[in-house]
Amino acid sequence: SQQGEEDPQALSIQEGENATMNCSYKTSINNLQWYRQNSGRGLVHLILIRSNEREKHSGRLRVTLDTSKKSSSLLITASRAADTASYFCATGTSGSRLTFGEGTQLTVNP
Amino acid sequence: GAVVSQHPSWVICKSGTSVKIECRSLDFQATTMFWYRQFPKQSLMLMATSNEGSKATYEQGVEKDKFLINHASLTLSTLTVTSAHPEDSSFYICSARDFLAGVTDTQYFGPGTRLTVL
Repeated sequence: SQQGEEDPQALSIQEGENATMNCSYKTSINNLQWYRQNSGRGLVHLILIRSNEREKHSGRLRVTLDTSKKSSSLLITASRAADTASYFCATGTSGSRLTFGEGTQLTVNP
Repeated sequence: GAVVSQHPSWVICKSGTSVKIECRSLDFQATTMFWYRQFPKQSLMLMATSNEGSKATYEQGVEKDKFLINHASLTLSTLTVTSAHPEDSSFYICSARDFLAGVTDTQYFGPGTRLTVL
């Protein structure tokens, strides 16, 4: 069963705006990862944050993790039309199994 | 960076036939590969974990006799959908862990295979 729940399910913003997506999960995790998927394509790994980390940055991406609330957020700053995609969080537990959230469909309008 | 390929990228077959999908790690060795299924506008569902040289571990609800997995080498895992039916139509994605990277939680995903069963 899916552990991660993401909100919003869909997000539409203008180019240049920031986009924030949230992910909640239910059980203990080793790490939480964010992936991007363009329509009909494979997944691209964006960022991994470990359970003992609270915040991580990578370029225009900022990820936070709150293990007490079992939640994470992905912030994309200064969005571009090319950022349009589905974004998934995935929780990692023992054995490297990943459990994916439902995903957020981000549309960035030019 | 680590690259994972899948073949074919799409396949259309008749109901009752079997389809084999290959997943290859191109520039690294993968002792563990994962197979996922994704229905339209839905998330990825883990089907099975494939370990080189041993039997695959299937998730609850996934029929091992229908979805045959073979991981014969450190760079290749195959998923065979046997006696495919229209409800098996889906996007199948594999991922792999880099064996030599040591303890790492990063998985590298293939581009996916679109299966359509008529």
